[in-house]
Formats: sequence, C-alpha cells, structure tokens
Amino acid sequence: EADIYQTPRYLVIGTGKKITLECSQTMGHDKMYWYQQDPGMELHLIHYSYGVNSTEKGDLSSESTVSRIRTEHFPLTLESARPSHTSQYLCAAGGNIQYFGAGTRLSVL
Amino acid sequence: GEDVEQSLFLSVREGDSSVINCTYTDSSSTYLYWYKQEPGAGLQLLTYIFSNMDMKQDQRLTVLLNKKDKHLSLRIADTQTGDSAIYFCAEMDAGNMLTFGGGTRLMVKP
Repeated sequence: EADIYQTPRYLVIGTGKKITLECSQTMGHDKMYWYQQDPGMELHLIHYSYGVNSTEKGDLSSESTVSRIRTEHFPLTLESARPSHTSQYLCAAGGNIQYFGAGTRLSVL
Repeated sequence: GEDVEQSLFLSVREGDSSVINCTYTDSSSTYLYWYKQEPGAGLQLLTYIFSNMDMKQDQRLTVLLNKKDKHLSLRIADTQTGDSAIYFCAEMDAGNMLTFGGGTRLMVKP
C-alpha cells in the first residue's frame, strides 16, 4: 500500500491567485497521477508521472502544471486560478493498484 | 478512447444484497477495480480482479467478470447503512492507465 497525503484539504481562493496543491507518498512508488473530479462525480486524468523528471499530460486538458523533482512529491500548480478551476483534485500513486489521497476541494471565487 | 459505463443510482434496504453493474469497451484490460468514495473523501480501493479470472470473493463482496460481454459486477451481501457511498468501476489498460466509470450512488435505507 501507499499512504498518500494531500494538502490542503479545502481551499477557497480569489481569481488570479497562484496556487500549489501538494501531494506526497511514503512508499516510493514511481508512478503518480492527478485526477480532476467533476461535481457530477466522473474522474478525469489530468497529469501523470512515471518517475523523477517525468511528467505527462492526461486525457483531460488542464491549465495546471506538475513537477516531479523527488519520488515522494508530485505537486500541482495553477499559475492564475479561475472559477472554471473549481473542482476536486485527487492524487494517486502506484502501478497495478492505484491508491488515492483524500483530495483537495478547490473553490475559486 | 475507452469507455466505462455504470448506472447512476441504486437504492436497497438494509440487509438486502446490492448489485452494481459496469460495462467496459477495452478488450485489452488487464485489471478491473471497484473503488468506494464517501462524501468529502478520496477513493478507497474495495477490490480488484485480474482479467483472466471469472469471480473473486472477499467477505461480503463478490466480483463477477464476464470478459466475453465486457461486464463487471459488484455484489455486496447484507448491505448496511455504512455501505452508502458512490462506487466507481475502473479498468486498467496495458499502459497502467485507469479509465473510470461515472460512479453509482448507492443509498441504503434502514
């Protein structure tokens, strides 16, 4: 298994602010993922990484960016938040089994 | 792209069995999964099945896979109010990418 930690759990922020959502894992999994979950429940892959210095865009186009400087951390950044970014963001890690963090619920006013 | 479909809603009485169904299109799926999501939380892995298996049982949970029809089901025996949640079906392709269904909201009435 892997313990996946996401911070903050909830974030309310104004339009135009830069934000970083943190994700860390304790078990050294090479593969990590970011999903965006719509209010209507469906999950969409927005970014993934196969290891340090590897990042790829997922199926759903996103204005966010990610970095993978260390195996344990996979932060997601929005340079200028907009109301359309309001969503829940879920981080996961693992190979054949993906384990999920508790999520960050982002509201952009 | 690949597609995973689930019904949106299921309501059962406490103590009854629940059956949540899922269909998928990817013929090269390696693993199929059931995740549970409670309000305000992330996804909790409930169980998974390898694509060459037909059935897997784990306590109150039974997973049935019909690979020919690309149909997956999750049966929860003796459903409890604590089982009320959203259940997501997901399939993994050969590249370790997950495709999720839209989720089935299970409501358990006392």
